[in-house]
Amino acid sequence: AQSVTQPDIHITVSEGASLELRCNYSYGATPYLFWYVQSPGQGLQLLLKYFSGDTLVQGIKGFEAEFKRSQSSFNLRKPSVHWSDAAEYFCAVGAVDNAGKSTFGDGTTLTVKP
Amino acid sequence: GAVVSQHPSWVICKSGTSVKIECRSLDFQATTMFWYRQFPKQSLMLMATSNEGSKATYEQGVEKDKFLINHASLTLSTLTVTSAHPEDSSFYICSATAGSNYGYTFGSGTRLTVV
Repeated sequence: AQSVTQPDIHITVSEGASLELRCNYSYGATPYLFWYVQSPGQGLQLLLKYFSGDTLVQGIKGFEAEFKRSQSSFNLRKPSVHWSDAAEYFCAVGAVDNAGKSTFGDGTTLTVKP
Repeated sequence: GAVVSQHPSWVICKSGTSVKIECRSLDFQATTMFWYRQFPKQSLMLMATSNEGSKATYEQGVEKDKFLINHASLTLSTLTVTSAHPEDSSFYICSATAGSNYGYTFGSGTRLTVV
């Protein structure tokens, strides 16, 4: 069975500082990996996804993520955080044969200090 | 880009009544739609997968007679919470995809409060 672990429940960073949100997955084959952002009371917005190819994936809003098969990780990074990045972030893994049926991590809440 | 519209964005209903939530793909044909439930401060839990023209596939523990899902067209899926009770209060989110080689897009969610 596939699973996703986001070890950090809550992260606080200062505006302008760099950010890394951790995500570890468990899946028997090559996974489809996603990062989503959710603002309070809103749906999810896709930041980026990895299906295959280059393991460093660029997304929207200046985010990137790196797929490391040896570590079963797909960490999300941003070099300089903006106050508007404060939100809930979810990592998800989908089966190759049914990428839509994803399993989500428990999420990481990002707080940005002025 | 792909857009999924979910309606209503919030609804309050009395205990024992039924509520219908719509999920529409506005600019693409969604062969598959997914319904999720999210409790406060928690992650999304997949409730069911619906393919156009077929019966929905429910995840273990989800009551199919309580959460009726209809996917009658390639652009519309509905979730009906029947005989709603306060414990059904939650945030319900749909997502839609045109196929496994495409990405999938989430709706903006529906906040259901049963009083």
